[in-house]
Formats: sequence, structure tokens, C-alpha cells
Amino acid sequence: DQQVKQNSPSLSVQEGRISILNCDYTNSMFDYFLWYKKYPAEGPTFLISISSIKDKNEDGRFTVFLNKSAKHLSLHIVPSQPGDSAVYFCAASDPQGAQKLVFGQGTRLTINP
Amino acid sequence: NAGVTQTPKFQVLKTGQSMTLQCAQDMNHEYMSWYRQDPGMGLRLIHYSVGAGITDQGEVPNGYNVSRSTTEDFPLRLLSAAPSQTSVYFCASTRAGNYGYTFGSGTRLTVV
Repeated sequence: DQQVKQNSPSLSVQEGRISILNCDYTNSMFDYFLWYKKYPAEGPTFLISISSIKDKNEDGRFTVFLNKSAKHLSLHIVPSQPGDSAVYFCAASDPQGAQKLVFGQGTRLTINP
Repeated sequence: NAGVTQTPKFQVLKTGQSMTLQCAQDMNHEYMSWYRQDPGMGLRLIHYSVGAGITDQGEVPNGYNVSRSTTEDFPLRLLSAAPSQTSVYFCASTRAGNYGYTFGSGTRLTVV
């Protein structure tokens, strides 16, 4: 069973507009959530994270929102830039899991000029 | 500062062959993990380690062995390769208390 789900395999957004990537999870024990960005032929790179005690975390153009009651998190990128075109993975960690991460399937974001 | 280094970058194996995927990090990170990435499946945890001499299984450990004799190295061994092990393999490391893992650039393995 997939504990972390990204239901949109792909997303296309115009340059300068807002990109919103979504992620749902089923395990209420998850207490830390992360977003990773991956370019082709490279490893994922850490982008932004949020603890379950918060509902928002912001870093420049990137903001992550967490809705614990809905078991849903989202990543907002504004304004979107061509360099943001990549695959984005959300991940979650269980406090009893020795910092093990559970990843979603990924969403391919394409920013169109 | 090299970060996480994985070798080789590409490998083709015949069914039944064995091999070791190498992973080394120079950041003195305690935690290291191996993931495989398959289309539509995201990254799945194979094995992980919380320190030298300590390893444990992840979500998909069958067919793989690991050991951690030093802080820096965490090799992944395929004992008898199968076509189902065709995948891209990523090694990652981080410090205790930091969930933001640093990933290597990956090894693309094809088993024919």
C-alpha cells in the first residue's frame, strides 16, 4: 500500500504563474515531511521541509503547506521559472523509523515560456 | 567536498551474476540509505544504516545485502541478479536529526 501518494504524474504551468504540487499520506504517525527536486540523470536534491507541528514553511519562492486533518501537503512555487522544470517528490518520515523516508511517486513539472 | 559518490554510473549484468554498487560519502554522516527508483513507484528504501556496524532492512530488501564497516562506505551487493532488479539505484546520507538526505547521482542497472 502506498503510504505517500502524488496523484498527478505531471503538471504544466506557464512561466511566471504559480505551480502547486500536491501530496497525500495515510500514516498519521508521520511527523516530518519533505520535498525533493530531481533533474534527469541526477540524484534528488532536498528542497524544503516541514514539521508536523507547523502548517506552513516558506523559503524564497517555495512554500510548503501542511493540513494534518486532511493528511495533505502541497508545495507552492511562485513565480515559476523554466529552471523549476523537474520531477518533484514528496517524502515523509515516521518518528520511530530511524529517519527512514517514504516517497511518493513523483510529479513531473514543466514550466512553459 | 565530493558529497555522496556512487560507482559505477551504468552497469549491464546477466541474470545470475553478482555485483557490488559502491557508495561513499565524505561528510561524516551517520545515516546512509539505498533506494531504488522505478517508473511510477517513486523511490523505495532497500536497506539503511544508522552507523558503522549497524544495518537494517527497508521496504524492498530481497535480493540485496549491505554492510557498513566504516562511516564513509555503504556498498550494496546483488547476490544473483534478476531482471526485476533493473532499476536506478540511489545512495543517500545525512546526519542524525537531519531529514534532508544528500543523494548520489545514481547507478543505472540493467539485468538481461
